[in-house]
Amino acid sequence: DAKTTQPNSMESNEEEPVHLPCNHSTISGTDYIHWYRQLPSQGPEYVIHGLTSNVNNRMASLAIAEDRKSSTLILHRATLRDAAVYYCILKKGSARQLTFGSGTQLTVLP
Amino acid sequence: EPEVTQTPSHQVTQMGQEVILRCVPISNHLYFYWYRQILGQKVEFLVSFYNNEISEKSEIFDDQFSVERPDGSNFTLKIRSTKLEDSAMYFCASSEVGLAMGELFFGEGSRLTVL
Repeated sequence: DAKTTQPNSMESNEEEPVHLPCNHSTISGTDYIHWYRQLPSQGPEYVIHGLTSNVNNRMASLAIAEDRKSSTLILHRATLRDAAVYYCILKKGSARQLTFGSGTQLTVLP
Repeated sequence: EPEVTQTPSHQVTQMGQEVILRCVPISNHLYFYWYRQILGQKVEFLVSFYNNEISEKSEIFDDQFSVERPDGSNFTLKIRSTKLEDSAMYFCASSEVGLAMGELFFGEGSRLTVL
């Protein structure tokens, strides 16, 4: 699987937007970009995924670079509940598993 | 909102004992998975299951592990003879469609402690 690189940790203030970056310079044309998060003591939770175009859902937005070598997960207004480890994962269309890395630990400050 | 449920939430067992972890996936989902997370480490894939058979498994999923869908609702992970290193949080997950196209729904996990 193509590799992703994320910062180990980030901080944000409550009610401010958060931009979580992910580099994936070896992405292939069939790789989908998935984001999951894991709140403390819980299972991972799907956030969003995309292929080429930017995507929006009720939780977040996903901005994908034109060359697809990087992407950014955008939380429009961070809340304390958004404090979690955020994982950026590349997945081929035929794949049957997710490969989790270390992710970015997001701390939200009140 | 539909959810994946797992039982037990915590199990303590002696080394060498058999353990069965149970999961009830979301009812209309067709793909089922087990992942595990050793304390402080990454979430690791164990096995995927579709159409009543294993579709993919990792190196971790050796002969000591097995999965079963004994009826239309449950999905189980059995560890035949537990080792100390099997201590981890085990997550069941399910998806409606193939993984790349859709989201994976995870349960809250079953914590296994092997003494």
